[in-house]
Amino acid sequence: ILNVEQSPQSLHVQEGDSTNFTCSFPSSNFYALHWYRWETAKSPEALFVMTLNGDEKKKGRISATLNTKEGYSYLYIKGSQPEDSATYLCAFVSTGNQFYFGTGTSLTVIP
Amino acid sequence: DTEVTQTPKHLVMGMTNKKSLKCEQHMGHRAMYWYKQKAKKPPELMFVYSYEKLSINESVPSRFSPECPNSSLLNLHLHALQPEDSALYLCASSQEAITGELFFGEGSRLTVL
Repeated sequence: ILNVEQSPQSLHVQEGDSTNFTCSFPSSNFYALHWYRWETAKSPEALFVMTLNGDEKKKGRISATLNTKEGYSYLYIKGSQPEDSATYLCAFVSTGNQFYFGTGTSLTVIP
Repeated sequence: DTEVTQTPKHLVMGMTNKKSLKCEQHMGHRAMYWYKQKAKKPPELMFVYSYEKLSINESVPSRFSPECPNSSLLNLHLHALQPEDSALYLCASSQEAITGELFFGEGSRLTVL
């Protein structure tokens, strides 16, 4: 089983604050890194699929960066809103077709 | 609204019951998955079907039996489950197996008494 760690485990931010969290994964046998947002009582929803070292992706106020050489990805949320409250999961995909979710970061945005 | 539909949303069963979870997608995806998720933990992969053939079975006990009748449907047959099998069971699909972006259903919440 591969180690895919996310930090912090949970955080609370005020509405309007910007925040970021980390996904750490093995730096070898990298194929892709996924980010998903999972709101309570809904299905997980894909945010980004990243494959290239140095990749930066953006969707509205959310962006992500990727460093495959050192094995980490950052997810940034600018100007957090209450509707951003969710669990954010990263998932590591290896060249050997292994797929592992990270431990998740639970974000609560306080109005 | 999710394009992956799971039924039932909630299921309560005894340890001697036989029940099934169902999943359907109409996005033309060729890979379908079952995941198990316990509280505060990430989803754990159970099975992957690619082109209607079982391609990955993550050492799941035989009391869980997957079935893929066609490219749009995925079932999970349950028999002689244990209370520790109580969890949220998520179905997902993707264009390519394993590497593709996953589209999830809302899950079936299973309680085993």
